[in-house]
This record gives sequence, C-alpha cells and structure tokens, in this order.
Amino acid sequence: SQTIHQWPATLVQPVGSPLSLECTVEGTSNPNLYWYRQAAGRGLQLLFYSVGIGQISSEVPQNLSASRPQDRQFILSSKKLLLSDSGFYLCAWSPVGATNEKLFFGSGTQLSVL
Amino acid sequence: AQSVAQPEDQVNVAEGNPLTVKCTYSVSGNPYLFWYVQYPNRGLQFLLKYITGDNLVKGSYGFEAEFNKSQTSFHLKKPSALVSDSALYFCAVRDINTGGFKTIFGAGTRLFVKA
Repeated sequence: SQTIHQWPATLVQPVGSPLSLECTVEGTSNPNLYWYRQAAGRGLQLLFYSVGIGQISSEVPQNLSASRPQDRQFILSSKKLLLSDSGFYLCAWSPVGATNEKLFFGSGTQLSVL
Repeated sequence: AQSVAQPEDQVNVAEGNPLTVKCTYSVSGNPYLFWYVQYPNRGLQFLLKYITGDNLVKGSYGFEAEFNKSQTSFHLKKPSALVSDSALYFCAVRDINTGGFKTIFGAGTRLFVKA
C-alpha cells in the first residue's frame, strides 16, 4: 500500500533562517506531488505541484521554492524565512494521469517563524 | 476559473440530528468534486467524490453528498451526527482546465457536534 511521510511535525525557526521540509511517498511510481499551506486552521493554498522529477510549477510568487530530486521526494525550501511564512504545511500526492483521483495527504508540519 | 464556496464558517448540530455542510461550485465543463475532513493538527482525509453517475454519493463514516447540477451544489450530509464528527470539512474541485493536476479547496466549514 502507499504511504506518505512528511517531517518534521513541528518546527520553530527564527526570521531570516533557512528552511527545508521533506516529503516522501512509498508504494507508487511517478506520483503527482503537491505542497499546500494552511493558515490559521482554515483554507488551503496550493504552493507548488510537480508532475515529474525536476518539473515544478509554482502557484504564487513567494519566499519559498520546491524541488523534486527523486521520483518520490518533494522538498520545500526557503533561503530566508519571513514571519508571514508561518503556517501549517501539507504535502500530498495523487496517482499519475488520473484527473479524477483524490489526494493523499501527509500529517503536516506546523512552522512557526519568530 | 474553477472554484468552490463554503458559505458557512461553522455548523452546530446536536448529536443524533442530521447534519448538512454546504458547498457550491463554479466550473467549466463537468465537475470533479470532493469532500475532505481534517482533524486537529492532521492532514486531510478523503471522504467521498463525485465524478459522474448517481447524484447521491456515499462515502466514509456514514457521510454522503448530493450533486445538484441545476443549483451547482454538492452538499455533505449525514443522517445522524456523532460527537466524533466534529472537525473541519473541505469541499474541493479538480481544476480540469489546467490538465487536472490542481485541486482547488474551499475555505472550510467547522462542524461542532454537541452531546
């Protein structure tokens, strides 16, 4: 069966420090991968999605970047965190080529930038 | 652009009573609609989806949703609410215009079920 791992669960970082959040998927090949941010326990904002290694689509201009160095690995990064980067970050995957399929979410990372 | 709207920030219901969480959509073409649930400090979990076929879709934990094309709605329902149903519920639509890669979420509705 497929599983998605996201870490760390909680992170407290000072303003101006770098960020690296990692997400890996097991049990499937060539998944579509996504990073979402959830502010204040409400709506989800799509940050990045990827349909293959090295292929990243950015949804909104921001202080963050994403990379997909391996088929089932998706990394969210920042060189210098801002206070506004605080939030709950969720990684998700969906099967390749299936536009009617659901998303499978990781358990999330609560990021606090102080 | 594809979008979904959840008009209620919060829904309160007594345990044992029926519940409805509302969602309306705006899409071009056939909608691919979903409901997800989120418990505190967790990722979202899939409840059910409508792609085609019967307008009444049954999902996990006794939930169901009714697709209404004329009203462009996809309301989530459950005949008898449980306290454990208290959570944040999201309606979502798959954005077919961009190849179906993106899922657009509503703002979420918080459900409180009182014992």
